Amino acid sequence: GQNIDQPTEMTATEGAIVQINCTYQTSGFNGLFWYQQHAGEAPTFLSYNVLDGLEEKGRFSSFLSRSKGYSYLLLKELQMKDSASYLCAVQGIYGGSQGNLIFGKGTKLSVKP
Amino acid sequence: ETGVTQTPRHLVMGMTNKKSLKCEQHLGHNAMYWYKQSAKKPLELMFVYSLEERVENNSVPSRFSPECPNSSHLFLHLHTLQPEDSALYLCASSQEVRAAYSNEQFFGPGTRLTVL
Repeated sequence: GQNIDQPTEMTATEGAIVQINCTYQTSGFNGLFWYQQHAGEAPTFLSYNVLDGLEEKGRFSSFLSRSKGYSYLLLKELQMKDSASYLCAVQGIYGGSQGNLIFGKGTKLSVKP
Repeated sequence: ETGVTQTPRHLVMGMTNKKSLKCEQHLGHNAMYWYKQSAKKPLELMFVYSLEERVENNSVPSRFSPECPNSSHLFLHLHTLQPEDSALYLCASSQEVRAAYSNEQFFGPGTRLTVL
């Protein structure tokens, strides 16, 4: 079956670092996405990992270990505007359509002053 | 307009009404998607279109009827909905359906649907 797990909620302090974990079990793997979604808005692309290792993009970094079925999103120097839901999604072979995304439930991050 | 747009942004309807959601993408993509987002649940893929042809229908009830007249427009026709259908309906597009590499999807802002 297909399963993607991530924590439901997290709280962190402005200026701090937070790590959001995602574990997955999917039939077929062709990369992992992280999206950010503010309340009432569209999910927006943050990162894509297909090879093992760390991808850094400004304050955000994403890590992938394919052998462990594990990824994390690292947010540094947290700002109040980072309060949002963070969606982990695996691109795989699903229903015969290579390229579809399978989403986790999302992690709601609250940044406190 | 840029990116992916959806109208209306909010919709309240009774169970006997018929309404339609509209999505338009200005990115020149070939694939379009409908998702349902309910509280505390993952995004649920409903339909996938590639160049106006439906390539996936994930066991969605027939009270939801998609239409893709061209590669830039996607509709979701609604009729005799149930209160449990209340959710955020998101449209997305991507370059292709079948992608050997990153198949980043670009999302619209969604339609918040309430069924009374």
